[in-house]
Amino acid sequence: DAGITQSPRYKITETGRQVTLMCHQTWSHSYMFWYRQDLGHGLRLIYYSAAADITDKGEVPDGYVVSRSKTENFPLTLESATRSQTSVYFCASTPLSGSSYNEQFFGPGTRLTVL
Amino acid sequence: KQEVTQIPAALSVPEGENLVLNCSFTDSAIYNLQWFRQDPGKGLTSLLLIQSSQREQTSGRLNASLDKSSGRSTLYIAASQPGDSATYLCAVGSFQKLVFGTGTRLLVSP
Repeated sequence: DAGITQSPRYKITETGRQVTLMCHQTWSHSYMFWYRQDLGHGLRLIYYSAAADITDKGEVPDGYVVSRSKTENFPLTLESATRSQTSVYFCASTPLSGSSYNEQFFGPGTRLTVL
Repeated sequence: KQEVTQIPAALSVPEGENLVLNCSFTDSAIYNLQWFRQDPGKGLTSLLLIQSSQREQTSGRLNASLDKSSGRSTLYIAASQPGDSATYLCAVGSFQKLVFGTGTRLLVSP
């Protein structure tokens, strides 16, 4: 299906385990983003990527690792999950076009629970 | 650091009312502002994008305005319907990065 997908949609894990959340987009958008959504904090940017092999930190990057070997995929890895990383994670993408700053399109989210 | 505030946090109105949601931001050096809708347990749906050079954007019953100098944006919803019930999020763009407000939860009663 066209668009932006995330997997898994729901994940329960234990403290200390490694978890990878997947994000895939079919539009060939240059930019991709990872956000987390928590009550009282709204959405906060974790990491973003301007193109394949180009990534940069957002507001709350600690405890997360990203990679982008292909334009369409942008996985987010929690190397050693902690309870404070229990959250809903959203992936987003946007095209790069000249000097215009375009709207971001969001995936359906992954609800992660760390026990 | 950019901070985005949305008032009110929650709003309950009867069907048919016109309503205004407010968004304010602390740093006027923005590239754009985007309004989203989020239904419970779902992702974000983009409603309107206003570039920094624009004053307003319209889509159907929705109209969003932007006043950079005062750090404010409003989302106007005309003739509200129960299907408009959702959380509305405002996000301010700095280059390609967005800073979000915490949203306004809207309930439209039949």
